[in-house]
Amino acid sequence: NAGVMQNPRHLVRRRGQEARLRCSPMKGHSHVYWYRQLPEEGLKFMVYLQKENIIDESGMPKERFSAEFPKEGPSILRIQQVVRGDSAAYFCASSQVNNEKLFFGSGTQLSVL
Amino acid sequence: GESVGLHLPTLSVQEGDNSIINCAYSNSASDYFIWYKQESGKGPQFIIDIRSNMDKRQGQRVTVLLNKTVKHLSLQIAATQPGDSAVYFCAEKGWTSYDKVIFGPGTSLSVIP
Repeated sequence: NAGVMQNPRHLVRRRGQEARLRCSPMKGHSHVYWYRQLPEEGLKFMVYLQKENIIDESGMPKERFSAEFPKEGPSILRIQQVVRGDSAAYFCASSQVNNEKLFFGSGTQLSVL
Repeated sequence: GESVGLHLPTLSVQEGDNSIINCAYSNSASDYFIWYKQESGKGPQFIIDIRSNMDKRQGQRVTVLLNKTVKHLSLQIAATQPGDSAVYFCAEKGWTSYDKVIFGPGTSLSVIP
């Protein structure tokens, strides 16, 4: 049973480009979280989704950031017109319905040049 | 609440000693608490959890203590080993399935051989 899969592992973008980060949850998991982490800092909540529905996006910047978790396929975190301040590690976690235990992927390290 | 942009506090312990990592959580309505371990370059890994109707829970070499009166959580690691060196995060969640999991700022544990 594969764990949470995130790709790419590393993503380099120039300022103004778009970044797409993918997350495939564990088999049987219908809830997905995205977190952002800067070096030497904690995990900052961004968004909580279940299939085809955003439960809580209170941690998402109002502009340029969006997330989806379609009925089929991985969850996508999209960052449009990236800026240097978007450089960070982005972690995805998944959980089963009514089970709070989160299982994390290995993260995507986004570097904006 | 949300983890903030502070450098991680550090705890250094001698191999074989016991470690105690502390966490102050923010929301008195939180119902579920979790400790995660994050090694360098990896995603957080679940260690142990506890619900608000308990004040102590034991796992293999780890014990979590919960004091709801002062909103304090601690993780005790017995006979600390070099492999325990990592950053440790506490996390909290409310009782509904719509509540998100919020992480504390983390503590860096360094084990001296």
